[in-house]
Amino acid sequence: GDSVTQMEGPVTLSEEAFLTINCTYTATGYPSLFWYVQYPGEGLQLLLKATKADDKGSNKGFEATYRKETTSFHLEKGSVQVSDSAVYFCALSDPMEYGNKLVFGAGTILRVKS
Amino acid sequence: SQTIHQWPATLVQPVGSPLSLECTVEGTSNPNLYWYRQAAGRGLQLLFYSVGIGQISSEVPQNLSASRPQDRQFILSSKKLLLSDSGFYLCAWSGASRTGKYEQYFGPGTRLTVT
Repeated sequence: GDSVTQMEGPVTLSEEAFLTINCTYTATGYPSLFWYVQYPGEGLQLLLKATKADDKGSNKGFEATYRKETTSFHLEKGSVQVSDSAVYFCALSDPMEYGNKLVFGAGTILRVKS
Repeated sequence: SQTIHQWPATLVQPVGSPLSLECTVEGTSNPNLYWYRQAAGRGLQLLFYSVGIGQISSEVPQNLSASRPQDRQFILSSKKLLLSDSGFYLCAWSGASRTGKYEQYFGPGTRLTVT
């Protein structure tokens, strides 16, 4: 079945550091890929998405590129802020799966120190 | 614009008591609807999803059930809660799609503690 693998956390960075959170996937079809962010005590927010190979999703300084050849969708940000501290989830939606279901990675905790 | 509501925000219930969590969506019609449970603030487990009124698909066997009495209303229920039912319950919606195409949008969640 489909699956998403994220790098283990927590990831601890100083303010203004460069961020990379790795995400790889396995899927039978050509999935859409997503990054969600969850702040403490809240629901998930869609951060960015990409629907086909070589698409780059971007939002709020974060970006990720859909790499079909390496089945990856790594999240990057050039300069993190304390307010970026949250849990980040990579997810895919497989067009071959009924119900528009999402398959999530386990999540990566990001802690940014001032 | 579309909004999704969940209530209650927090709930403390004794073991063996019933449960009813409600989710409603505004600003869209015929959405797909989803219930997730999140334990220990990390991974999400899909519990149920619905692609239309009265249509419920269950992803995992458990003592929970779901219903969709109206187009934009999704209810999660239990007749008798277990300690293991504690967690953070999230409702989500997506555009109407039988297959994977759209992103999902999440509600604020309900924190359930079973004592």
